[in-house]
Amino acid sequence: AQSVTQLGSHVSVSEGALVLLRCNYSSSVPPYLFWYVQYPNQGLQLLLKYTSAATLVKGINGFEAEFKKSETSFHLTKPSAHMSDAAEYFCAVSEYRGSNYKLTFGKGTLLTVNP
Amino acid sequence: NAGVTQTPKFQVLKTGQSMTLQCAQDMNHNSMYWYRQDPGMGLRLIYYSASEGTTDKGEVPNGYNVSRLNKREFSLRLESAAPSQTSVYFCASTLKAYNEQFFGPGTRLTVL
Repeated sequence: AQSVTQLGSHVSVSEGALVLLRCNYSSSVPPYLFWYVQYPNQGLQLLLKYTSAATLVKGINGFEAEFKKSETSFHLTKPSAHMSDAAEYFCAVSEYRGSNYKLTFGKGTLLTVNP
Repeated sequence: NAGVTQTPKFQVLKTGQSMTLQCAQDMNHNSMYWYRQDPGMGLRLIYYSASEGTTDKGEVPNGYNVSRLNKREFSLRLESAAPSQTSVYFCASTLKAYNEQFFGPGTRLTVL
């Protein structure tokens, strides 16, 4: 079964510092991978996705993620944190199981940005 | 385009009451989904509809029923609400099942 692990339920950084949010997945085949962001009291918004093209994926708001097959990882990074990046981030994996694709979410990482 | 819309935004029920959460999308998507979000649990799939006329159980279907009314609309019904169903419910849709899903703003449900 597919599983997604996000290391660290809460990450705190200073404004201007590097943001690194970790995501590892378990899968026997290369999956489709996604990062979503959720701002308070809102729905989820897609940040970026990996669909077996380039291993380094650029998303919105300066975020990017690198797919590393050997490490089964898809970590999210941003060189310089901004106050507006404070939100909860979810890694998700889509894999064909049974008769359809299923999307499995990690438990989320809450990012706090300190001034 | 409004994207994915959900009604109501907030709801308080008493144990045993019933209600239906409504979801509609205007993106001509084939697949639609219902999730619940609880603190520290991420999002868990309740039911999904791969295409108009089909529905299937997800990870946590007990206590819920769904109806894919047409291609645009996918409703979630709680027949007899329980406090364990207090949660935030999200509807999502996608054109092709392996693609990214688009989410509605959510319904915050409290069952007393």
